[in-house]
Amino acid sequence: GAVVSQHPSRVICKSGTSVKIECRSLDFQATTMFWYRQFPKQSLMLMATSNEGSKATYEQGVEKDKFLINHASLTLSTLTVTSAHPEDSSFYICSARGDDEQYFGPGTRLTVT
Amino acid sequence: DAKTTQPPSMDCAEGRAANLPCNHSTISGNEYVYWYRQIHSQGPQYIIHGLKNNETNEMASLIITEDRKSSTLILPHATLRDTAVYYCIVRPPGTGNQFYFGTGTSLTVIP
Repeated sequence: GAVVSQHPSRVICKSGTSVKIECRSLDFQATTMFWYRQFPKQSLMLMATSNEGSKATYEQGVEKDKFLINHASLTLSTLTVTSAHPEDSSFYICSARGDDEQYFGPGTRLTVT
Repeated sequence: DAKTTQPPSMDCAEGRAANLPCNHSTISGNEYVYWYRQIHSQGPQYIIHGLKNNETNEMASLIITEDRKSSTLILPHATLRDTAVYYCIVRPPGTGNQFYFGTGTSLTVIP
């Protein structure tokens, strides 16, 4: 099946700093990518949908100025958590749609100290 | 918003079939039923999807009732590596349509 990668897999940052997470579709082009967040023992929560070359669409309650999404090409989307705080600590998962299926990345564990 | 209902947890003996039910009574005519699973601390893995007909692939079988209000994912011979959270999702076709995850079923395969 198609492969979606994320980098980094784990990151620890200090409160107030910004963190960028990359999501790449390795062997297919993805016009649409999705970003999810997952807290411990909870389900995945959709944060935003991004289309290549256009602004992301954020789900209700997700701060667009805090979670900056850039879908610069058909194979790369980035999520930047700006001015991170401990409550932003979570598992961030991206997903890319190719053909008739949607593929998920392995996730990025963010810890804000 | 998630439009499916699944039991929170299930156990299955290793080597036996695991039957995971999903209720989607408000499914629309053009919505597909998708199944994904998530092993601890990993991204979700695609399993199978279908519209009306039953589907089978190398991982599992998907049985959809005639009225499409419910479905069952069948893992024919469960192994310990099948222990995961299984998510049933309904979604209309189209590349821009999002997946909204419900709470899923935590399946534990017991030796």
